[in-house]
Amino acid sequence: DTAVSQTPKYLVTQMGNDKSIKCEQNLGHDTMYWYKQDSKKFLKIMFSYNNKELIINETVPNRFSPKSPDKAHLNLHINSLELGDSAVYFCASSPGAKKLAGLARPRTDTQYFGPGTRLTVL
Amino acid sequence: AQSVTQLGSHVSVSEGALVLLRCNYSSSVPPYLFWYVQYPNQGLQLLLKYTSAATLVKGINGFEAEFKKSETSFHLTKPSAHMSDAAEYFCAVSDEDDYKLSFGAGTTVTVRA
Repeated sequence: DTAVSQTPKYLVTQMGNDKSIKCEQNLGHDTMYWYKQDSKKFLKIMFSYNNKELIINETVPNRFSPKSPDKAHLNLHINSLELGDSAVYFCASSPGAKKLAGLARPRTDTQYFGPGTRLTVL
Repeated sequence: AQSVTQLGSHVSVSEGALVLLRCNYSSSVPPYLFWYVQYPNQGLQLLLKYTSAATLVKGINGFEAEFKKSETSFHLTKPSAHMSDAAEYFCAVSDEDDYKLSFGAGTTVTVRA
């Protein structure tokens, strides 16, 4: 059984198009993430949701919009695609229970990654 | 903010030789550190993590790492390399803001027969 799955695995499209990448996890985790890995393999966090609440929103163009219909799904919509958007996009999840005042923070949580979506913009 | 630096973007070892991958961290709070491995065309997989319970951490596939506060290091080692260890290795630190991992630039390991 796949723990974190992403579709599609490959996505080739023209500049200016709008596309979506879907992510699903069956681990029962509360937190999900989107990362971008560039051609030099550098990994950068883009967004994170905890129980459908946006908790991390890095400096990303507003052409990128995450959507979490439920805590098992986190989709990434990209409008007006540009050449520089070409990369591998990874979804991940971690147990990360919702933060409550006074409780220990889940800094030690392991993140579980999907297989990646290779986006090529022509 | 926390960050990690991986020294050496590429390491080449002979099969059976020691694998040593270097990672130094910068953190204003006690760090939690991770090593992940990425095999070709796959996602990242946790090798091991330091959560302050023990300074020598053992992971999967024969890897281990030692946390040295005095040197701000968390180097990854494996006594005897196998061909299947060829992959990209990432060191990461858990940000003070709970959920965020900051990754190093990665080290590519190639194993020579």
